[in-house]
Amino acid sequence: AQRVTQPEKLLSVFKGAPVELKCNYSYSGSPELFWYVQYSRQRLQLLLRHISRESIKGFTADLNKGETSFHLKKPFAQEEDSAMYYCALYSGNTGKLIFGQGTTLQVKP
Amino acid sequence: DSGVTQTPKHLITATGQRVTLRCSPRSGDLSVYWYQQSLDQGLQFLIQYYNGEERAKGNILERFSAQQFPDLHSELNLSSLELGDSALYFCASSFRDRDYEQFFGPGTRLTVL
Repeated sequence: AQRVTQPEKLLSVFKGAPVELKCNYSYSGSPELFWYVQYSRQRLQLLLRHISRESIKGFTADLNKGETSFHLKKPFAQEEDSAMYYCALYSGNTGKLIFGQGTTLQVKP
Repeated sequence: DSGVTQTPKHLITATGQRVTLRCSPRSGDLSVYWYQQSLDQGLQFLIQYYNGEERAKGNILERFSAQQFPDLHSELNLSSLELGDSALYFCASSFRDRDYEQFFGPGTRLTVL
């Protein structure tokens, strides 16, 4: 079964602290994984994709096929990072984007 | 605003009723996707249309149906509504068929009383 799991509903950290938003997936085949973000009162938007190995707004995510994980990390959290983060798996066969439950990141001053 | 638009923003209705949610994709986008977001289920893919044709189907109930019109706007019809259908319904669009980069609308919040 194709599934994305984000075990934490809420992650609360202080400004300047490291952040790791966990994502695990279940997929038979070569996965394409993404992180989407929804800031307060804004639309859900693509943050980054595993295949490009880029860093956006200081966030990075590495695909670990052995652990079937795609955790989102940032070394020093900023208050403006507070948002809802969704991990998503794209299934090319079905054309479906499968989202995790989402994790709310709260960065306290 | 050339982004994805959805109407209405909020909808309150009673059980057993039927409603229609409307979505206009970004200018030039041919694909439209519908998602349901509820507290217990998270963001669930419902259905995708590409240039007027149904392309992918997710966990869409038989009471729900959708279509995409020649001008590429899409409508999601929800009938025989139940309390459990209360959710935020998102529409997204992309230029290509079956694209992982989807541009989301603001959503329609449906409340069934």
